[in-house]
Amino acid sequence: DTAVSQTPKYLVTQMGNDKSIKCEQNLGHDTMYWYKQDSKKFLKIMFSYNNKELIINETVPNRFSPKSPDKAHLNLHINSLELGDSAVYFCASSPYSSGSIDEQYFGPGTRLTVT
Amino acid sequence: GDSVTQMEGPVTLSEEAFLTINCTYTATGYPSLFWYVQYPGEGLQLLLKATKADDKGSNKGFEATYRKETTSFHLEKGSVQVSDSAVYFCALSDPGTASKLTFGTGTRLQVTL
Repeated sequence: DTAVSQTPKYLVTQMGNDKSIKCEQNLGHDTMYWYKQDSKKFLKIMFSYNNKELIINETVPNRFSPKSPDKAHLNLHINSLELGDSAVYFCASSPYSSGSIDEQYFGPGTRLTVT
Repeated sequence: GDSVTQMEGPVTLSEEAFLTINCTYTATGYPSLFWYVQYPGEGLQLLLKATKADDKGSNKGFEATYRKETTSFHLEKGSVQVSDSAVYFCALSDPGTASKLTFGTGTRLQVTL
């Protein structure tokens, strides 16, 4: 069974559209993350949820809205897509609890291309 | 704020050569340090980690030692293989930052026969 899964794997869409990327983890972890990897492979955190509560929001445009229906899922909705949103988006999870540091487990990534 | 600096790539080596990828960091607290590897077309996998000064992380022949005095966590392998070709990311996680990872820019390693 895949530990952290994302759908879709590839997403091609036009500017101005709204799209969603879904993430699910079956590891029983409390915390989930979204990262963006740009064309130069640079990775930067976007959001983190702990038990369905937002705990990290790294100055991401408000066109990006994460939603966590339960602690096993963290979806990313993007409104009014722009060319600069083209990137690979990675979901991750960790067993993190306050005061601890744990490794993160990454999904396979969703390659978003905005034309 | 926290930051991680990695050596520029790509690094091209012949099989069985010795590998070093440099990584230095700045952090406000006492971070945990990680190396992640990304094989072509895949997500990131944890390669090794160290949680306190002088700890050595090791896995699959790779090693890195947490050096607080030089704020470094250099990745080494004694004899690389073609299958080690990938992008390697150094990262840190600072206590009190909800375990978020701050990544370096990544170093692409290409190993040839």
